[in-house]
Amino acid sequence: EVQLVQSGAEVKKPGESLKISCKGSGYRFTNYWIGWVRQMPGKGLEWMGIIYPGDSDTRYSPSFQGQVTISADKSISTAYLQWSSLKASDTAMYYCARHDDSGSPGGYWGQGTLVTVSS
Amino acid sequence: DIQMTQSPSSLSAYVGDRVTITCRASQGINSYLVWFQQKPGKAPKSLIFAASSLQSGVPSKFSGSGSGTDFTLTISSLQPEDFATYYCQQYNSYPWTFGQGTKVEIK
Repeated sequence: EVQLVQSGAEVKKPGESLKISCKGSGYRFTNYWIGWVRQMPGKGLEWMGIIYPGDSDTRYSPSFQGQVTISADKSISTAYLQWSSLKASDTAMYYCARHDDSGSPGGYWGQGTLVTVSS
Repeated sequence: DIQMTQSPSSLSAYVGDRVTITCRASQGINSYLVWFQQKPGKAPKSLIFAASSLQSGVPSKFSGSGSGTDFTLTISSLQPEDFATYYCQQYNSYPWTFGQGTKVEIK
């Protein structure tokens, strides 16, 4: 069974750094793209970027380029989303999602990680 | 970036109604479109991929159509469990983009 399990909720202060994770299991981790999606409170879905763990090929939305870093460690089947300096506006739910077998995005989703940034 | 515009933004319908949601792309995206359903507090769930292919395990009351710039998601007979927010997403070219969502509520 394919599963994506995300790290737990985080409460941080502005200016702090953060790295959240998404661990894949039940499939060959290196063979499928994994993307990250932001959902701000009460708002819609925003595509942040995507990584292919097999060769670490990464694509970012211009809206998030330079604001976050997407990475993966294939030795432990885990993808990451990190910030070097959080802002209050980064408060949101963050989801990871894997392509399905047809190559379409969002076939499988993690449960989400709630990030709260507040002074 | 390709803009995805859904209409309506929200709708009210009765159980048993046929519901259609549209999604328009600002430029052609072939058939590289997925539809998601999201319920409150839950991760999105894929319903349709490649514009018209039903995701495994999704009931056949959901159907998708379209190609190029205009797409539709149809729910043939709305049931209580279908009240949710629906999103389209294009994956023809980076950055991939979502529509703003359509909230389907009970009338």
